[in-house]
Amino acid sequence: DTGVSQNPRHKITKRGQNVTFRCDPISEHNRLYWYRQTLGQGPEFLTYFQNEAQLEKSRLLSDRFSAERPKGSFSTLEIQRTEQGDSAMYLCASSLGGSGRLSYEQYFGPGTRLTVT
Amino acid sequence: DQQVKQNSPSLSVQEGRISILNCDYTNSMFDYFLWYKKYPAEGPTFLISISSIKDKNEDGRFTVFLNKSAKHLSLHIVPSQPGDSAVYFCAASVGYGNQFYFGTGTSLTVIP
Repeated sequence: DTGVSQNPRHKITKRGQNVTFRCDPISEHNRLYWYRQTLGQGPEFLTYFQNEAQLEKSRLLSDRFSAERPKGSFSTLEIQRTEQGDSAMYLCASSLGGSGRLSYEQYFGPGTRLTVT
Repeated sequence: DQQVKQNSPSLSVQEGRISILNCDYTNSMFDYFLWYKKYPAEGPTFLISISSIKDKNEDGRFTVFLNKSAKHLSLHIVPSQPGDSAVYFCAASVGYGNQFYFGTGTSLTVIP
């Protein structure tokens, strides 16, 4: 399967612990996005990368959150000192980039569900 | 502030009939719109898109209509099938490749 993959699929952690999620985009896609989705809401944008460069960050991304894409391939999202309000589904998406409408359609992974107790 | 709104949390339709899902937006700078479909425990799946230079786009049973003056778009599914039962999200962006703003979703149930 060559779709977007995310690991782990589920994570339960205690408040105050650090967690890290991984996203592997579709191999030829150079744009990678992170979103967060809570119950009853649509996905909310967190940040995105063009290759290894982080081009935009939402104000939702507090200083406890950091994302990297060191070699322009996979990406990690780390949350430090987790809080109960961080409990959500964290979604990763990728797109081809380049020119043209079809290059920017975003393909989503299955998500990582985080529960902070 | 919710820039993309889906005011109907749920919709039930008989199999074979038309499903119409609606979406409103407030940001007049949005120029690219998409519909995503989501099954439980899966990420959203791209369905169909439309840019602001068009007012209609069709793909098989799915048609998206865009009314820029009303800042409204709709997704028509004809004929509806039980496998279409899912949550549908509309999304919008300013320019291609930038962040999407999503609505809160409409849960569609197609009754056999």
